[in-house]
Amino acid sequence: SQTIHQWPATLVQPVGSPLSLECTVEGTSNPNLYWYRQAAGRGLQLLFYSVGIGQISSEVPQNLSASRPQDRQFILSSKKLLLSDSGFYLCAWSVGWGISYGYTFGSGTRLTVV
Amino acid sequence: GQQLNQSPQSMFIQEGEDVSMNCTSSSIFNTWLWYKQDPGEGPVLLIALYKAGELTSNGRLTAQFGTTRKDSFLNISASIPSDVGIYFCAGPHNNAGNMLTFGGGTRLMVKP
Repeated sequence: SQTIHQWPATLVQPVGSPLSLECTVEGTSNPNLYWYRQAAGRGLQLLFYSVGIGQISSEVPQNLSASRPQDRQFILSSKKLLLSDSGFYLCAWSVGWGISYGYTFGSGTRLTVV
Repeated sequence: GQQLNQSPQSMFIQEGEDVSMNCTSSSIFNTWLWYKQDPGEGPVLLIALYKAGELTSNGRLTAQFGTTRKDSFLNISASIPSDVGIYFCAGPHNNAGNMLTFGGGTRLMVKP
């Protein structure tokens, strides 16, 4: 069966520090991968998606970047965090575009920038 | 681009009450998906709808694909405390069917 792992679960970082969040998927090949951000009690904002190794599309210009060094690994990074980067970060994967069966989400990383 | 409008934004109900929420789109959809997000967790798919007029149940949850293909409805019967969370509708990102776009969510709070 397929599983998705995100870590860490929680993170407190000072302003100006770097960030690296990792997401891995098991049990499937060539998934589409996605990074979302969710502000407290709010909706889901798509940040990046990837259809293959090294292929990254950005939906919202910001202080973050993403990379896909391996087929089932998706990394969200920042060189210098801002207070506004605080939020709940969710990784997700899908078979194809996920129209029929939707996305499967990880359990999220809660980032607090102080 | 397409937008999904969910209403209400939040609901505070008494345990045992029925709940209704809806989602409307600015364009026709071929698929509607409903997710639930428990506090502190990622969203989980509840129900998928593929045909106009389709009515699908998952336990106490029932979702309907609107006949106009621009809306969908989710009902929860006899709510219990564990129904607390945020409910999201989702559909294709654009007419070409790429990716999903999510509604803003309906936050449900249940008073025991």
